[in-house]
Amino acid sequence: AAGVIQSPRHLIKEKRETATLKCYPIPRHDTVYWYQQGPGQDPQFLISFYEKMQSDKGSIPDRFSAQQFSDYHSELNMSSLELGDSALYFCASSLGRRTEAFFGQGTRLTVV
Amino acid sequence: DQQVKQNSPSLSVQEGRISILNCDYTNSMFDYFLWYKKYPAEGPTFLISISSIKDKNEDGRFTVFLNKSAKHLSLHIVPSQPGDSAVYFCAASENGGGADGLTFGKGTHLIIQP
Repeated sequence: AAGVIQSPRHLIKEKRETATLKCYPIPRHDTVYWYQQGPGQDPQFLISFYEKMQSDKGSIPDRFSAQQFSDYHSELNMSSLELGDSALYFCASSLGRRTEAFFGQGTRLTVV
Repeated sequence: DQQVKQNSPSLSVQEGRISILNCDYTNSMFDYFLWYKKYPAEGPTFLISISSIKDKNEDGRFTVFLNKSAKHLSLHIVPSQPGDSAVYFCAASENGGGADGLTFGKGTHLIIQP
C-alpha cells in the first residue's frame, strides 16, 4: 500500500541557506502534519493543513513557512537556516482531522 | 516543562513475557492519547490510542490503560516478540484525535531478549 512519501530523505545545507522539504500524503488523504525531531528529542509539532488550509500551528519558527497544494502535497520552506534546525522532519497524513495519521520516513536535515 | 513524560529511557524484557511501558502527563486538558512505535531510520508508526472517556483499549497483543485521576497511561504488550524491539513514544492531544498538535514523550527503547 502507498505510504507517505517525503523528499529528499537527506539534505545538507549551510547556515543562512534555504531548504524546501516535500511531503506527498497517502492518496485521498486531505490532512497533512509536520513534526520536527531534534537529536535526542521528542517530535515537536510544527504545523498542519486540512483541505489546503492551515488547521493548526505549533512551534514553527517565523523563518519557516508551509503550504498544502491543490494535489494535497505539502512543502515546508525553511529560510535563514541555523545550526539548530538540524533535525529529522516528519510529515504525516490522515483522511480527515480526527483519524489515524500515518507518518513518512522523514527528511534528515543537516545544517553545517 | 515536559507535559508528557516517559521516565524509563529503556526497558529490557524477555521474549514471551509482558512488556509494560509507562507514561505520565501533566496537562489535564489532554483528551486523547496515542502510542507510536519507531524503528531506526523510519517514521513513527501508530500502534493504539485511547480516548479520555475510556480506561482501557485493546488491540491484539497491545492494550492501553488510562488512569485519569493519576494522569497515567501504560501500554501492555503480551506476549512480547523480537519484532517489538523499537522505541515507543507516548503522545497526547487536546484535539480529540488525529495528529494535530500532538505532544510526545521522549520515548522508551524496548529491547526484547530471546
